Amino acid sequence: DIQMTQSPSSVSASVGDRVTITCRTSQDINTWLAWYQQTPGKAPKLLIYTASTLQSGVSSRFSGSGSGTDFTLTISNLQPEDFATYYCQQAHSFPFTFGPGTKVDIK
Amino acid sequence: EVQLVESGGGLVQPGGSLRLSCAASGFTFNRHWMHWVRQGPGKGLVWVSRINGDGSSTKYADSVNGRFTISRDNAQNTLFLQMNNLRDEDTAIYFCARDLGQWLAQNWFNPWGQGTLVTVSS
Repeated sequence: DIQMTQSPSSVSASVGDRVTITCRTSQDINTWLAWYQQTPGKAPKLLIYTASTLQSGVSSRFSGSGSGTDFTLTISNLQPEDFATYYCQQAHSFPFTFGPGTKVDIK
Repeated sequence: EVQLVESGGGLVQPGGSLRLSCAASGFTFNRHWMHWVRQGPGKGLVWVSRINGDGSSTKYADSVNGRFTISRDNAQNTLFLQMNNLRDEDTAIYFCARDLGQWLAQNWFNPWGQGTLVTVSS
C-alpha cells in the first residue's frame, strides 16, 4: 500500500493568514492526488484533484501543487469557514489511501 | 442537486451482519462509479470499496475483502454495502461517495453522503 504522511499534523492560524500543508507519499504517484476538507460532524468535501485542479465551486483561495511524492495545499487569505481538517488522498493504485489529516484551527 | 443519503447503520455484535444503503438523486446514477469510505471514531478516512456503473466490476480493501460485498440497484438509484462477520475494528461512520468521473473511474470522491454510524460491540 502507498503510505501517506502529512505535515504539520495541526496548525494554528488567524483569519487572513496563508497556510501551507504538505503531503508526502511512499512512492511516485505522478499527480494522482486529491485534497479534501472536513469540518466536525460533516462529510469530507473535494477541494482539488490531480494535484492542482480546483474542483468546481471551490474558492480560488485554495491551490494545490506537486508531483511525484511531494505535494502542497495552500490556503490564502484564511477565512473562518476554512478552519477544518484537511486530508490528502492518492488514486494512483489500490487501495486508495488517505493522509492522517492536518487540523487548521484558530490562533 | 446531487444528493447521497446513507441508512442502515446501527449497533451489531461481533460476528453479526448489517446492510448499508445509499440512496442517490440529482444525477444519472448508472453513469458513475461509486465508493464506500469509512472513518473510525476520531480517526482518519479509509477507502473500503468501489463498484462500476453496471455493477460488473468491484474492488475491496484487504481489511474487508471476503466479508463485505458492494452492489447497486440502478433501477432504484441505490448503492449497498453488505457487511458480514463484523469485527470491533469495523466500527466507523460509513460514507458513500460518487466518483467524480462519468463512465470512467477517476477515483476522486465527490460528493459524499452524510454517513451512517456502524458500531460493533458486544
